[in-house]
Amino acid sequence: GESVGLHLPTLSVQEGDNSIINCAYSNSASDYFIWYKQESGKGPQFIIDIRSNMDKRQGQRVTVLLNKTVKHLSLQIAATQPGDSAVYFCAEKNQAGTALIFGKGTTLSVSS
Amino acid sequence: SQTIHQWPATLVQPVGSPLSLECTVEGTSNPNLYWYRQAAGRGLQLLFYSVGIGQISSEVPQNLSASRPQDRQFILSSKKLLLSDSGFYLCAWGGREGYEQYFGPGTRLTVT
Repeated sequence: GESVGLHLPTLSVQEGDNSIINCAYSNSASDYFIWYKQESGKGPQFIIDIRSNMDKRQGQRVTVLLNKTVKHLSLQIAATQPGDSAVYFCAEKNQAGTALIFGKGTTLSVSS
Repeated sequence: SQTIHQWPATLVQPVGSPLSLECTVEGTSNPNLYWYRQAAGRGLQLLFYSVGIGQISSEVPQNLSASRPQDRQFILSSKKLLLSDSGFYLCAWGGREGYEQYFGPGTRLTVT
């Protein structure tokens, strides 16, 4: 079946460090993945997405890596800042292509 | 640019009372629309999605319903709320050509 999960529920880093948030998925046919950032009390905010024909995609201070062999997705945040503190969700497109399936989230805490 | 609105922001309702949450989108036409629920500390659960006026697909059987009376309006309703309906309700819209979704600010519902 379809399921998306994250390896660790929490991640604590120091300001300026690079953060890596991981996600595993089960559907080997999945061809679209997306990362969201959710701050407390707010709706999720789109960060970056990637299609399965790519292994890597970069945005501003963020990079998403896709390893289809082991069905693993990661979000790398460079020079992590206190404003990056939030819950991060990965999601994949469902088989019907009608919706996204979300993982449970990783809480990133950045200390100064 | 596109914006998505949800109201109310917070709501406290007694068990057995009705519910109506509204979501509207501006700046786009014929969007896909979605309702999600997020329990405390959990991921997002898709409740309903709509690809057009009057077209509603339900992902999870429950005492909630959704309607889309206008192209950019999506309503989540219940005739009788249960305690288990408490949560953070998020509306999202998606374009026709991609799979990314953009979320509203959410409604915090507490059923007492």
